[in-house]
Amino acid sequence: EAGVVQSPRYKIIEKKQPVAFWCNPISGHNTLYWYLQNLGQGPELLIRYENEEAVDDSQLPKDRFSAERLKGVDSTLKIQPAELGDSAVYLCASSLDSDRGYEQYFGPGTRLTVT
Amino acid sequence: RKEVEQDPGPFNVPEGATVAFNCTYSNSASQSFFWYRQDCRKEPKLLMSVYSSGNEDGRFTAQLNRASQYISLLIRDSKLSDSATYLCVVNINTGGFKTIFGAGTRLFVKA
Repeated sequence: EAGVVQSPRYKIIEKKQPVAFWCNPISGHNTLYWYLQNLGQGPELLIRYENEEAVDDSQLPKDRFSAERLKGVDSTLKIQPAELGDSAVYLCASSLDSDRGYEQYFGPGTRLTVT
Repeated sequence: RKEVEQDPGPFNVPEGATVAFNCTYSNSASQSFFWYRQDCRKEPKLLMSVYSSGNEDGRFTAQLNRASQYISLLIRDSKLSDSATYLCVVNINTGGFKTIFGAGTRLFVKA
């Protein structure tokens, strides 16, 4: 069974530029998560989708971050404009369901460097 | 106070040693618990779920203490390959699940 797929794996951009990350979850997983992870910290949730619906985006900085999951399968996370402090690893995860706190499976992440 | 707290370590242990990590959580509405392992520059990978009755998987044992609000992970007969960061995860039922990761405990197993 294929795991969570993310692209690109690495991205280097200058500040104020836009950037987008793509994620394809495990087949059949209704719930998709985007996390941000800084060095030495645990992942921090940015947004959680149940199918197409964003059910928890309380930690998403909406002035510059946006996300979509139009058909309830793959998802895109965008930053516009990027700031130096956005340098981090962006992780996508999926699970069967979140109502019962199912296990999450992570993709390899996108390592973003903003210069 | 953080909702999920872990000792960052590092724990430096020799091969064959037994090592234990604790993770405390503050929200009594916490419903499900997991341990993840994360290798350097890799994504977190599920190690094991933590059940109320405790559970064991080979050399790994996880336990939950709801009264004191902590979970634990015990690793017996440590191997060099166990060197990693161990993340504790708590799902809190707030009318939909909210997932909180601890910052992780670093383990180094030495030959």
